[in-house]
Amino acid sequence: EAQVTQNPRYLITVTGKKLTVTCSQNMNHEYMSWYRQDPGLGLRQIYYSMNVEVTDKGDVPEGYKVSRKEKRNFPLILESPSPNQTSLYFCASSSTYYQETQYFGPGTRLLVL
Amino acid sequence: KNQVEQSPQSLIILEGKNCTLQCNYTVSPFSNLRWYKQDTGRGPVSLTIMTFSENTKSNGRYTATLDADTKQSSLHITASQLSDSASYICVVLSNSGYALNFGKGTSLLVTP
Repeated sequence: EAQVTQNPRYLITVTGKKLTVTCSQNMNHEYMSWYRQDPGLGLRQIYYSMNVEVTDKGDVPEGYKVSRKEKRNFPLILESPSPNQTSLYFCASSSTYYQETQYFGPGTRLLVL
Repeated sequence: KNQVEQSPQSLIILEGKNCTLQCNYTVSPFSNLRWYKQDTGRGPVSLTIMTFSENTKSNGRYTATLDADTKQSSLHITASQLSDSASYICVVLSNSGYALNFGKGTSLLVTP
């Protein structure tokens, strides 16, 4: 089954404790992206990757890091989480940047205390 | 700055009625425009994508229109069902750069 998986689905952590949210797709997609969604602000792009070893900042990259060492994986790293990073996070992938169907993962709900 | 504005912010309609959601954008140069449906707590799902040359595109009871001259798009939902209750998000892609431009969405509630 074609899908994007994220782990964990729910996470409660404390300020400053490094964490990684994993994202994996099984569709051999080139384009992958991370978003955060907050009430009243909608989806905002954090980082995206056009292909392996190619990443770039989206609208809200501060406090986040990503890596794309393999085509299928695109982890999101919070080196020192802060309460303002409490949010719902989505990973997504598509065959190319222009490709119609962008597949979204189920989301990761993060609470930083 | 590239912007995508959606209206209304929220909408309540009776089951069986039609409705139209609006999306205005300033993204330039334009590549394509997408409509997504997002159920509460779940990831968005693509409904339609429209390129510069397309005026209308349908996906079942969903019909999207695009006026590239006025930079406006609409999503029309026919004979609404309770399962149409969701947030509808307009996304515009530019030919310049690779970031996507998201609207804040319209929250639709269909009541019995």
